[in-house]
Parts: sequence; C-alpha cells; structure tokens
Amino acid sequence: GENVEQHPSTLSVQEGDSAVIKCTYSDSASNYFPWYKQELGKRPQLIIDIRSNVGEKKDQRIAVTLNKTAKHFSLHITETQPEDSAVYFCAASGDSSYKLIFGSGTRLLVRP
Amino acid sequence: DSGVTQTPKHLITATGQRVTLRCSPRSGDLSVYWYQQSLDQGLQFLIHYYNGEERAKGNILERFSAQQFPDLHSELNLSSLELGDSALYFCASSVGQGNLYEQYFGPGTRLTVT
Repeated sequence: GENVEQHPSTLSVQEGDSAVIKCTYSDSASNYFPWYKQELGKRPQLIIDIRSNVGEKKDQRIAVTLNKTAKHFSLHITETQPEDSAVYFCAASGDSSYKLIFGSGTRLLVRP
Repeated sequence: DSGVTQTPKHLITATGQRVTLRCSPRSGDLSVYWYQQSLDQGLQFLIHYYNGEERAKGNILERFSAQQFPDLHSELNLSSLELGDSALYFCASSVGQGNLYEQYFGPGTRLTVT
C-alpha cells in the first residue's frame, strides 16, 4: 500500500547550522508533496510544498527537493533558529486519492 | 488561526462509550478531511468528504463513522471506544477536492479513553 518513510526521527543542530530531513514514498502516482510543521500541542501547519513537475522549490530559509526517479524528497532548513524547533512531517498524495499519507515525523531541536 | 474550528477541545470518556467530534470548515471550503494522530501511529488519514459526499476512506475502523451536513460541517462518531482510540483527532478543510488545494488543519480534539 501507500507508504511514506521519514528520516531521521530526531535531529539536533546548533543554531545557525542547516537541517535536512528526508522522505521516501512508495506510490509512483504521488504528485504532491507538502511539508508540515507541528509545534507541541498545536495543529500541523503547511510550510512548503512541491509538485511532481518541479525539482526544487525555495522559500527564504526553507527549500524542498524532489527526485521522482528515486521517489524521495527532502526538506532543507538553513540558518536554523530556536523557533524552528518542532516536529516536521512530510506527506504525499496523488490524483487518485487526495488524502495525505504522512511520514512518521522528525523532531527537530535547534540548540541556542 | 486556520479558520477551521473543532469541538470539543478535550474529551475524556470511558471504554465502551460513544463520542461525537465536530468540525466546522473554513468559510467556502467544501472538503473536510479527518486525521487521527496517536503516539505510535503518527498522523493517519481516516476519511474525506466533499460537499456532503464521502470521497475516500483510509484505515478507518468500522466502529468509526462520519458525515458532512448540508451546512458543510462534519461530525466524526466513535463508538465502542477502546483505550487505543486515545489520540488527537484533526479535521482539515480545503476549497476543492484535489491536491491543488491546501488543507488547513483545525486545532484538534484530544480524546482520552480511560
């Protein structure tokens, strides 16, 4: 069935360093890949997304890359700040069903 | 604030009971999605409604059911509750039913089954 694997499960970086989170999806029909940030006890919030016709997308300190051949996509956060500390989820969906299949999440800790 | 509202915020109930969770989508949104977030299963898609009709089902248990009403609000009914049903339940809404449209998540309902 559809599956999204996400690594690492936890990531600790020094403020100012970069953080990279990787996801692999199984359904080759997936064509939409959003990333959500979830702070403790709060709702998931979309931070960036990418579609299958694009290889890379950037929004200030956040970028996402997609390799359709390898079926993996990654989130890159540069110049990390303590307020970036949260759980990050990748997800995938396709045209056959618009449901989001989520990865297991990455807990990012940015040390001041 | 996403514009999606969910009630109640917290719910504590006993095993075997039945509860109803309510979701009001953003104004103008026709799609409602329900997700369950538990510690061991992560965020899991349960069911999707578009303009009152069921469009997709995920790993939703037979003890769970949902509906979307003419005013577009949705309810998720959980019956014969078990300890393992304890989780955060999120609904999300979007304008349309395709993945061209961002899903906006509500604040969630935290269900505790004792």
